[in-house]
This record gives sequence, structure tokens and C-alpha cells, in this order.
Amino acid sequence: GAVVSQHPSRVICKSGTSVKIECRSLDFQATTMFWYRQFPKQSLMLMATSNEGSKATYEQGVEKDKFLINHASLTLSTLTVTSAHPEDSSFYICSASTGFVNEQFFGPGTRLTVL
Amino acid sequence: GQSLEQPSEVTAVEGAIVQINCTYQTSGFYGLSWYQQHDGGAPTFLSYNALDGLEETGRFSSFLSRSDSYGYLLLQELQMKDSASYFCAVRERPMGFQKLVFGTGTRLLVSP
Repeated sequence: GAVVSQHPSRVICKSGTSVKIECRSLDFQATTMFWYRQFPKQSLMLMATSNEGSKATYEQGVEKDKFLINHASLTLSTLTVTSAHPEDSSFYICSASTGFVNEQFFGPGTRLTVL
Repeated sequence: GQSLEQPSEVTAVEGAIVQINCTYQTSGFYGLSWYQQHDGGAPTFLSYNALDGLEETGRFSSFLSRSDSYGYLLLQELQMKDSASYFCAVRERPMGFQKLVFGTGTRLLVSP
């Protein structure tokens, strides 16, 4: 149980294009989903927290107009990187929480490369 | 500000015991979690301490001292597959929902 998927697992895009990453909780309803970014050999940095049906809460320094988050249902959240640039190349990881268990369940991550 | 400090790298041999320390300074504190992450993979949950003391889960144990803002992960009977990065993470609770702040991470290398 408690499986989280992400799609795509890898994406390569040209500079200036937008990329959408999906995060799904497969066997539970996620009241809260989190989006992290991880650069090589570095820690996970929380970008934003989203609750189903409400606007995401962004961490300080994260541009909400660049990283659009939609949590349309209890099993799906999407992160759209708009007008991607090479410095946006990173490993993006989502996690999901039911709110009842003191644990976040992580997706397998999406490796974004912007050329 | 927030900071969670860990040693950057630890090396050990199979069968040995290793301890990974974590010292933290955060605005809120609701507990300390530990995660394992293999290269290119997702973090997987290992252990959680909300109260002071030792929590044991198989070969892994985790300790917390809230008065010292310190915790550690203890790995026993090391196996090659334990080579990975290990992160401590403080659970904050702003505005009623959980939030994790991750440490700098420790890369564990287990050799034969």
C-alpha cells in the first residue's frame, strides 16, 4: 500500500518550453501533496505544499508563476514548469500524505533536463 | 533560520555498525524522521522519533534528544545494499499540516 507514482520519469525539453509532471497516489487519498527539488548530491528542498481544492503554499524563494501546482483531486497533483531554462534542470520529487499518518510517501521522481 | 547538519560521507565495511548524526535548528519541531535514498531513487522512510529516546526497527535504530536538538541513525550488521544517502528530516507543523525540512544528507559507502 501507499504507492505514489510520477510521470514522466525523465523528460528532456528545449529552453522556453513548459513541462508538466504528474504525481498520483495509487491506493490512498492524499489530502496533502508536496513537491521537492533535488540537485545532484544535494538535499531535498521543499518547493510547495498543496491541499486538494485549494491554492498551493509556496516556500520562500520559489516563484509561483514559474512553478504552477494544481491539486485537482485527492489522488492527483501536477507541477508545471513554465518557460523552462537550463537552471531548472533537476530531480523533481513529489510526496503525498493522508494527514492521519505521520509519514509522507514519496514518488520515484522526475528527472528534468532543459537544453 | 533553519539548519539540519549531517556528516557528508561515512564509510564502513560489511557487518560493521555505523552511526549517522544529525543536529538541527528549526523554527518548529514535531519529530525527527530518517530517510534512505539510493542514487536516482525515491526517499524511503526508515524511522521516526517524536519523543526522546531510542526507536528500534530491525537493523536500524534512531535516537532523539530534544533538549540537545540532536539525533542519530544507527545501522547495524551493515550490508552492501545499505550504500545510499541518508537524510534526517524535521517535521514542522505550520498551519496545521505536516512539513518536512531535510538535512544535508550523509552518503554511506559500505565496502566488502
